[in-house]
This record gives sequence, C-alpha cells and structure tokens, in this order.
Amino acid sequence: SYELTQPLSVSVALGQTARITCGGNNIGSKNVHWYQQKPGQAPVLVIYRDSNRPSGIPERFSGSNSGNTATLTISRAQAGDEADYYCQVWDSLFGGGTKLTVL
Amino acid sequence: QVQLQESGPGLVKPSQTLSLTCTVSGGSISSGDYYWSWIRQPPGKGLEWIGYIYYSGSTYYNPSLKSRVTISVDTSKNQFSLKLSSVTAADTAVYYCRRAFDIWGQGTMVTVSS
Repeated sequence: SYELTQPLSVSVALGQTARITCGGNNIGSKNVHWYQQKPGQAPVLVIYRDSNRPSGIPERFSGSNSGNTATLTISRAQAGDEADYYCQVWDSLFGGGTKLTVL
Repeated sequence: QVQLQESGPGLVKPSQTLSLTCTVSGGSISSGDYYWSWIRQPPGKGLEWIGYIYYSGSTYYNPSLKSRVTISVDTSKNQFSLKLSSVTAADTAVYYCRRAFDIWGQGTMVTVSS
C-alpha cells in the first residue's frame, strides 16, 4: 500500500526558512495538499495541489512537488508558525505529520 | 462562507455504533463538484481519513475501516452523516467533517468507554 513519510520534527530559527518534506513513491505525479494544525484546533489548509495558496495564507508559505518528494517551505518563520504539519494525497491518505519548532 | 459543524454523542459504549452528523451552512451540499469527508484523530496522534461521499451518494472508504463504515448524505437537511459500527477504545478520537480538501469543521471528541 502507498505510504507518505514525513520527518517527526523540524526546527527552524526565528526568521529563517523551514522545509518540511513528504516522501512517497512517484509523489510528483500526484496532487499534494498541506495542512497546519495548532494544538486544540482543526487543521487549516495552507497549500493545495502542490503549490497553490488559499486566500488568507501568507506568501511565506509555498509548496513544490517533484519525483519522490513534496516540500512545504515556510520563509521568514515566525513563532506563530509553530504547529503540526500534514501532507495528503488523493484527498485521502495523510502523512504522519511533522512538528515544527521555531527557536 | 461555507461552514461545517459536527454533532453527535460524545460517549459511545464498546461494540455499539458511533453516529455523527455534519451540518453544512452557508452553501448547498448539492452544489458544485464537491465531496464530503470524515476524518479522525486519536488523542496525541495523526490524522486518519475515514471516507467521503459525493452529493449523488457515491462513497469511498478507507480500506482499513470499510467493513464498519457507512457515510450517507441528506440533501434536504444539508447534512451528511457517519456511522461506525462495533466500536472499540481504538475508535476514541476527535472526528472532523470536511468539504473536499479545504473547509473543515471544528471537530467533535468521541470517547468509546463503558
């Protein structure tokens, strides 16, 4: 069965760039969505179909997808970006999630 | 704007059936080419897709849950529902409803316990 692999945790210094990966066999051929989830809250869509940003999501959030890896990039990281991040394909299968810590 | 709200019992006994409803407001469940999903999250764990339904009634379920899951839609009430049978403690989770891949409900905690 298909699996999505995310690092358990990623740390980034305040103001620097964070990259969260989502690995899967030939994931570049699939549409990937990314969600941000803060404690006690529902997930929020931050990137859809690989690289599209919903209205209201800062331009600091961007996405790419090629080969076996999709990447969520957060530029100029802020304390408010601390959260769990999940990738999803086929509008069904989720990655295990990555906890982003802003130092 | 479209909003989703889950409702249902917060406590279900083992072996019984968990039943939840998602009410859609601010838009019609029948409009657009949307599907309507249920997703859950056990305490301290990641997200698990349960299944989704189109307003036409076509359904798609997570193979690992398929034998116990039924998702249905009631267009007259602008609602869709989840039934999960033969529940165990492993089904304890926050249950979310979602439109396509974008709009989520706030979630509702369901505990399976006697």
